[in-house]
Amino acid sequence: NAGVTQTPKFQVLKTGQSMTLQCAQDMNHEYMSWYRQDPGMGLRLIHYSVGAGITDQGEVPNGYNVSRSTTEDFPLRLLSAAPSQTSVYFCASTLGGGQPQHFGDGTRLSIL
Amino acid sequence: SQELEQSPQSLIVQEGKNLTINCTSSKTLYGLYWYKQKYGEGLIFLMMLQKGGEEKSHEKITAKLDEKKQQSSLHITASQPSHAGIYLCGADHGENYGQNFVFGPGTRLSVLP
Repeated sequence: NAGVTQTPKFQVLKTGQSMTLQCAQDMNHEYMSWYRQDPGMGLRLIHYSVGAGITDQGEVPNGYNVSRSTTEDFPLRLLSAAPSQTSVYFCASTLGGGQPQHFGDGTRLSIL
Repeated sequence: SQELEQSPQSLIVQEGKNLTINCTSSKTLYGLYWYKQKYGEGLIFLMMLQKGGEEKSHEKITAKLDEKKQQSSLHITASQPSHAGIYLCGADHGENYGQNFVFGPGTRLSVLP
């Protein structure tokens, strides 16, 4: 039972490069979200999805794109990496309806 | 400013001592969630509270929700080194789940053996 799987676990990028953070869940959850975690700021919502084909912006969406072509996958794209995007990124999924979110182990991203 | 405030920011206790972590919301709560995070790992769900006055317990951890005060407390009895980590509260501030989910900044707990 894998739950929420994030890849890669670590990544170093140069400013201006693009990349995709992968997130997959095998629990048939409709709701999926991406957060970034920075020291002293807790987790901040980047983008979320309430089902396949439906996405919306969270608190800090600038510089990130998402898509949801299947229920299982919710990739996060960095279009042109900036040092301010150095962070730990978490993907989460939930059934919704007040049920708790299940989190992946995170991707630690450094932008040089 | 944070929609969810947590206190204290960090806590160091001797093994066996009791402790309390507080979470206060500046907005109406539709659900309050407690998570634990160990360094370098993801978040582990602890408990969810949805009704005013609700209290839940799991092993030595008890969480309570005061809806009127828009506050929740997490109490650990007879702390152990395994309780060490970062405790985060998360809140659903909207009727449509996902649109208004926020987290507090976290409380870092160290338990000295």
